Amino acid sequence: AQSVTQLGSHVSVSEGALVLLRCNYSSSVPPYLFWYVQYPNQGLQLLLKYTTGATLVKGINGFEAEFKKSETSFHLTKPSAHMSDAAEYFCAVSEGDSGYSTLTFGKGTMLLVSP
Amino acid sequence: DAGITQSPRHKVTETGTPVTLRCHQTENHRYMYWYRQDPGHGLRLIHYSYGVKDTDKGEVSDGYSVSRSKTEDFLLTLESATSSQTSVYFCAISKPQETQYFGPGTRLLVL
Repeated sequence: AQSVTQLGSHVSVSEGALVLLRCNYSSSVPPYLFWYVQYPNQGLQLLLKYTTGATLVKGINGFEAEFKKSETSFHLTKPSAHMSDAAEYFCAVSEGDSGYSTLTFGKGTMLLVSP
Repeated sequence: DAGITQSPRHKVTETGTPVTLRCHQTENHRYMYWYRQDPGHGLRLIHYSYGVKDTDKGEVSDGYSVSRSKTEDFLLTLESATSSQTSVYFCAISKPQETQYFGPGTRLLVL
């Protein structure tokens, strides 16, 4: 069985500050890892994903994440927060090369950005 | 954006009534999924489909049924709605082993 833990249900940063959202996973097989963002009253939008290859993954809107197998982590970062980054962020894991791709989500982290 | 629509977008119903939510895609993707989103729980998989008439249960399938008679449509039915099924429901689609893309969601309130 796979699971995802997102540390911190809420993270507050100032505009221009570093954004760090933490995600740890467990999986019995090599995982595929995802970060999605949800703006108020909208669906989920893919930010970035890791499948195989380079462990540092760049996504949209200046976000990136690094897959660290030894730490079972996939933390999301952005060097400088913008007001428009305020949203809820979800980390998710799927069982890599299995025949289908069901996702297991973390509980989400709400990012609050203050001026 | 992936071509996914959900209907209705908002619904209020009473306990004990049947409710059907529709997900429609124009991408011809093989896989379709239904999730529910609740505060503090993230998204949890209800049912998914890996082809026409091929469906399977997810983590929170009790009280829900699904049907897929055409590639483009995936229906979620609450046979007898309960207040615990008040939630936001999201449909997603994907190709095998590829990224899931989400619809705009349906807000369901069961009184």
